[in-house]
Amino acid sequence: GAGVSQSPRYKVTKRGQDVALRCDPISGHVSLYWYRQALGQGPEFLTYFNYEAQQDKSGLPNDRFSAERPEGSISTLTIQRTEQRDSAMYRCASSNSQGNGEKLFFGSGTQLSVL
Amino acid sequence: AQSVSQHNHHVILSEAASLELGCNYSYGGTVNLFWYVQYPGQHLQLLLKYFSGDPLVKGIKGFEAEFIKSKFSFNLRKPSVQWSDTAEYFCAVSLSGTYKYIFGTGTRLKVLA
Repeated sequence: GAGVSQSPRYKVTKRGQDVALRCDPISGHVSLYWYRQALGQGPEFLTYFNYEAQQDKSGLPNDRFSAERPEGSISTLTIQRTEQRDSAMYRCASSNSQGNGEKLFFGSGTQLSVL
Repeated sequence: AQSVSQHNHHVILSEAASLELGCNYSYGGTVNLFWYVQYPGQHLQLLLKYFSGDPLVKGIKGFEAEFIKSKFSFNLRKPSVQWSDTAEYFCAVSLSGTYKYIFGTGTRLKVLA
């Protein structure tokens, strides 16, 4: 596609429910990042994929968070048993470099609200 | 641990005023430096970047930034701001040769018409 696409744009859920956030990167981009951004903060690294390989998941806060990119394209970030503290903007970004610090292309983000 | 500091969280300027947003990072190795901008209702997009060479880099819309290695700084400047520059600005650092990207906390700029 023309840009990085994220869905849904907004997600409101009740505490305890599972949510799945989708990211469709720019076609051909091998690197894919997930970031989380709380109000008044900068994007905080969650996880990084090189093709389908999850090379770094050190930023995932706990084991309720997981991510996959099974075919090296679309990625899903899943949060199980959501808690109010999970409320944030979740941003996906892709890059056409294999992790060499090149420019990131961001999607519009998913604003998650956990009630 | 590596970190990026942006000293100004909120800045309010009148049109035609000059702008300088501070950014400092902590990392002893080779870095790539970026400024990203998020206009209201839009996604984060690249404003300018520094990889090597001339430490004064120019970006879109009249913005520029200067890398001062001795000060671990990469401040963003614009001589004369416009109302349309109202946005949130993020400084970011990537560790050269790696995928690691670290963002600052952002500066919200409001330009009064």
